[in-house]
Amino acid sequence: GAGVSQSPSNKVTEKGKDVELRCDPISGHTALYWYRQRLGQGLEFLIYFQGNSAPDKSGLPSDRFSAERTGESVSTLTIQRTQQEDSAVYLCASSLLGVGNTEAFFGQGTRLTVV
Amino acid sequence: GNSVTQMEGPVTLSEEAFLTINCTYTATGYPSLFWYVQYPGEGLQLLLKATKADDKGSNKGFEATYRKETTSFHLEKGSVQVSDSAVYFCALSSGYSTLTFGKGTMLLVSP
Repeated sequence: GAGVSQSPSNKVTEKGKDVELRCDPISGHTALYWYRQRLGQGLEFLIYFQGNSAPDKSGLPSDRFSAERTGESVSTLTIQRTQQEDSAVYLCASSLLGVGNTEAFFGQGTRLTVV
Repeated sequence: GNSVTQMEGPVTLSEEAFLTINCTYTATGYPSLFWYVQYPGEGLQLLLKATKADDKGSNKGFEATYRKETTSFHLEKGSVQVSDSAVYFCALSSGYSTLTFGKGTMLLVSP
């Protein structure tokens, strides 16, 4: 596609429910990243994919968070048993190579609200 | 670990004023430095970057110089426009895997 696409754009869920967030990166981009942006905070790194493997998942805040990527394309971020502190904008980015070398392109994010 | 500190906003300016948004960093090795911008209702996009000391990144009238001695990468523009109103993020990458972001600085430019 023309850019990084994320869905849904907004999600309201009840505390304790599971949610799945989707990211469609730019075609051909091997690197994919998930970030979280809480209100008034900077972007917090969650996980990085190179191809379908995740060499750096150090930012996942708890074992309730998981992510996968298939076909070197679509990625899903799953949050189990959501808590109110999970409320944030979840951003996905992709780049042709790693970000130190090539530009990272960001999606518009998924705004998650846990009530 | 890596970290980025940037001035808190909002920064409020009149059109044609001079802009500086301060950014300092802590990193191991020799990071690449970036400024990203987020216009209202849009995703983050790269504004400019510098990959080594003394490099100057520039784009759309914005400039930032990589200062290793002061570990800084301040964003400047000589004459801001209303259309520059956005949130600006300073970021660094000390490898190929991740970007470390500052908290963002909102810029509001009035006519």
